[in-house]
Amino acid sequence: EDQVTQSPEALRLQEGESSSLNCSYTVSGLRGLFWYRQDPGKGPEFLFTLYSAGEEKEKERLKATLTKKESFLHITAPKPEDSATYLCAVQAGAGANNLFFGTGTRLTVIP
Amino acid sequence: NAGVMQNPRHLVRRRGQEARLRCSPMKGHSHVYWYRQLPEEGLKFMVYLQKENIIDESGMPKERFSAEFPKEGPSILRIQQVVRGDSAAYFCASSPALQGTEAFFGQGTRLTVV
Repeated sequence: EDQVTQSPEALRLQEGESSSLNCSYTVSGLRGLFWYRQDPGKGPEFLFTLYSAGEEKEKERLKATLTKKESFLHITAPKPEDSATYLCAVQAGAGANNLFFGTGTRLTVIP
Repeated sequence: NAGVMQNPRHLVRRRGQEARLRCSPMKGHSHVYWYRQLPEEGLKFMVYLQKENIIDESGMPKERFSAEFPKEGPSILRIQQVVRGDSAAYFCASSPALQGTEAFFGQGTRLTVV
């Protein structure tokens, strides 16, 4: 059975304190791993797609990496506006287009 | 280029009533997905549709829930005879035809059953 586990569940950082969020997955036939950001009361906002082990993508203070078993979302020198829930999702299996989500990491960045 | 549009944003229904949630995908996107998010839980896939076709409804409850994406107009998620456990945020996403491409989400409809 496909599984996506995100850790930690919640993370509090001081502004400027870099850290990483983890997404470990067990799926058959990974076709893509996706990172989204979700603010309270809003829909998920797309951040990155990673397709193969070793791939990395960056956007401002965020960098996503992928191995055969997990993905990391590195946050460098975070700011309070980076506070949100970060969701990891996988697309797996032949012909499947839907996303299988983890439960997210709730990040709070304190000024 | 408008994003995925969902309406209403908030919907209150009494037990036993029907709820209709609407979703207009992004321009150029022909694939629509519905997800449900319960409090303190992750997003759960419900159904995947293309125009006039249900492709995958493996996440849909067997009773009371239905979805359509007609040739003209928005996709509709319909919940008949709502119960308190249906209270949740319902999100619609759309993507272009290619597999493996990212899906873009709407702002969701928050359904409250009283």
